[in-house]
Amino acid sequence: KNQVEQSPQSLIILEGKNCTLQCNYTVSPFSNLRWYKQDTGRGPVSLTIMTFSENTKSNGRYTATLDADTKQSSLHITASQLSDSASYICVVGSGGSYIPTFGRGTSLIVHP
Amino acid sequence: SAVISQKPSRDICQRGTSLTIQCQVDSQVTMMFWYRQQPGQSLTLIATANQGSEATYESGFVIDKFPISRPNLTFSTLTVSNMSPEDSSIYLCSAQSNEKLFFGSGTQLSVL
Repeated sequence: KNQVEQSPQSLIILEGKNCTLQCNYTVSPFSNLRWYKQDTGRGPVSLTIMTFSENTKSNGRYTATLDADTKQSSLHITASQLSDSASYICVVGSGGSYIPTFGRGTSLIVHP
Repeated sequence: SAVISQKPSRDICQRGTSLTIQCQVDSQVTMMFWYRQQPGQSLTLIATANQGSEATYESGFVIDKFPISRPNLTFSTLTVSNMSPEDSSIYLCSAQSNEKLFFGSGTQLSVL
């Protein structure tokens, strides 16, 4: 069964600090991995998308990495801002299905 | 990229009534999806909305409870019928365009 596990479930950091969120998956065959940011009560917004051949992708202060061998991805947030407070969702697409598998998300709170 | 307008953004409804959620995409897309997201949970796919044919429902979801329309390549509706408090959730539509997955802003539904 395809699964996406994210850790930690929640995280609290101080403004200006860096943090790293983790995503482990068992989706097969692998097609792509996406990270989304979801503000409370809003729809998810795409941050990065990576295919099998890509091992890093940046979007401003967000940098995603992918290790397709170990089936792990991370999302690193640099110099966090209060507006980074949100849920971050890892989504893995399968080559065998048009329906991706969603992680439960990591809830990030940035305190001033 | 695709922009999806979803409405209403939130509603409070009485038990036994029905609510129709609308999603308008600013470009033609082949595949549209409807998701439910309960607090602290990942997104759960309700159904895939196909243009010109009946929607394809996932296990645990039925057409009588969640009728879907897809009259053209830019628009879809989801109706939550005969609502109960257990239907309180965030409902999201999404569309796939150029291998990217875009989401509407979500509808936060509370059933009393």
